[in-house]
Amino acid sequence: GAVVSQHPSRVICKSGTSVKIECRSLDFQATTMFWYRQFPKQSLMLMATSNEGSKATYEQGVEKDKFLINHASLTLSTLTVTSAHPEDSSFYICSARDGTADQPQHFGDGTRLSIL
Amino acid sequence: DQQVKQNSPSLSVQEGRISILNCDYTNSMFDYFLWYKKYPAEGPTFLISISSIKDKNEDGRFTVFLNKSAKHLSLHIVPSQPGDSAVYFCAASGPFTGNQFYFGTGTSLTVIP
Repeated sequence: GAVVSQHPSRVICKSGTSVKIECRSLDFQATTMFWYRQFPKQSLMLMATSNEGSKATYEQGVEKDKFLINHASLTLSTLTVTSAHPEDSSFYICSARDGTADQPQHFGDGTRLSIL
Repeated sequence: DQQVKQNSPSLSVQEGRISILNCDYTNSMFDYFLWYKKYPAEGPTFLISISSIKDKNEDGRFTVFLNKSAKHLSLHIVPSQPGDSAVYFCAASGPFTGNQFYFGTGTSLTVIP
């Protein structure tokens, strides 16, 4: 089956640090990758959609200068949380799709980000 | 505004019995629905899907039912096994949502041996 690898699984860092999270599709080419954020006991909220070779599309309310997304290849997308603050602490999860919009997304295992 | 709702945050079922997880949605334009299963510290895993042209889809022990008039879908697991204990999310999309799936808040299923 389609495997999506997300790294790191957990990050603890000081306020003001920038943190990069990687999302890789291991056995398929992902033309589209998605970045979600999940708060405790809430549903997954889509932050942005990234297409290989083009700029990411951010959902309303998501600061694109704060959450930098790069999708440099068909198997790799990165999310960089710039100058992270405690309110950015959350569970971030990526997903990838290997086909058209009617295909399911395959998720990574998520990254627990804790900003002190 | 939560367009996909899972009103039961948790459910406990005896092993061997049927588990029924429910999901309601508000937008009648949704035409594709999925169920994901999530273990702690792991990402959601795709379980089963259904498009709006169907009212039932079955895959082994898992069956999803769609009632479009009621804007309701349910996931049936029978027989339930302890390994099914996880959080289950339903998600919906439609031609108006672009790439976005709208997720419910999840239902934590515990199957008691």
